[in-house]
Amino acid sequence: AQSVTQLGSHVSVSEGALVLLRCNYSSSVPPYLFWYVQYPNQGLQLLLKYTSAATLVKGINGFEAEFKKSETSFHLTKPSAHMSDAAEYFCAVRGTTDSWGKLQFGAGTQVVVTP
Amino acid sequence: ETGVTQSPTHLIKTRGQQVTLRCSSQSGHNTVSWYQQALGQGPQFIFQYYREEENGRGNFPPRFSGLQFPNYSSELNVNALELDDSALYLCASSLETGMNTEAFFGQGTRLTVV
Repeated sequence: AQSVTQLGSHVSVSEGALVLLRCNYSSSVPPYLFWYVQYPNQGLQLLLKYTSAATLVKGINGFEAEFKKSETSFHLTKPSAHMSDAAEYFCAVRGTTDSWGKLQFGAGTQVVVTP
Repeated sequence: ETGVTQSPTHLIKTRGQQVTLRCSSQSGHNTVSWYQQALGQGPQFIFQYYREEENGRGNFPPRFSGLQFPNYSSELNVNALELDDSALYLCASSLETGMNTEAFFGQGTRLTVV
């Protein structure tokens, strides 16, 4: 069974500073990995996904993530935070033989951006 | 906008009652998944429907049931509501073919059980 752990339930960053959100996965084989963002009272929006192609994945809104098999990690970064990045971020995993809709989510990291 | 629509957006029910939540999937998608997101937590997979059949279930009791219709829209039914069922219920649709696809989520239905 696959699972993900997100380190840090809350992260506060200054506008213009680096955003780093940590995600570690547990799986017997490298799974597919995702980062989703959720704004208040809304559903989930896909930021990016890793599906065993390039290990450095670029997503929307300037976010990127790097798959590191040796560290079983898939951390999300953005070089310069913007006020609009304030939201909750979820890392998710899907087994390679599972369907696209069957995801295991982490507990989430709430990002606060300060001026 | 993902094209996945859920109704109603908010709902208040009394403990012991039954509730039906609805999801209209994105055009062309043949799979619908349902998730429960309790306050302050990540979404938890309830079950998935593919071509009108249940195709995978998470750790939820049988009082959580669903349907998928020929047009691929879906319903989530919860019987004998408990206070802990209060949550945001998310529906996601996907097309189960190929590598370059993803699950698209609706806005969710906020269920409050009192």
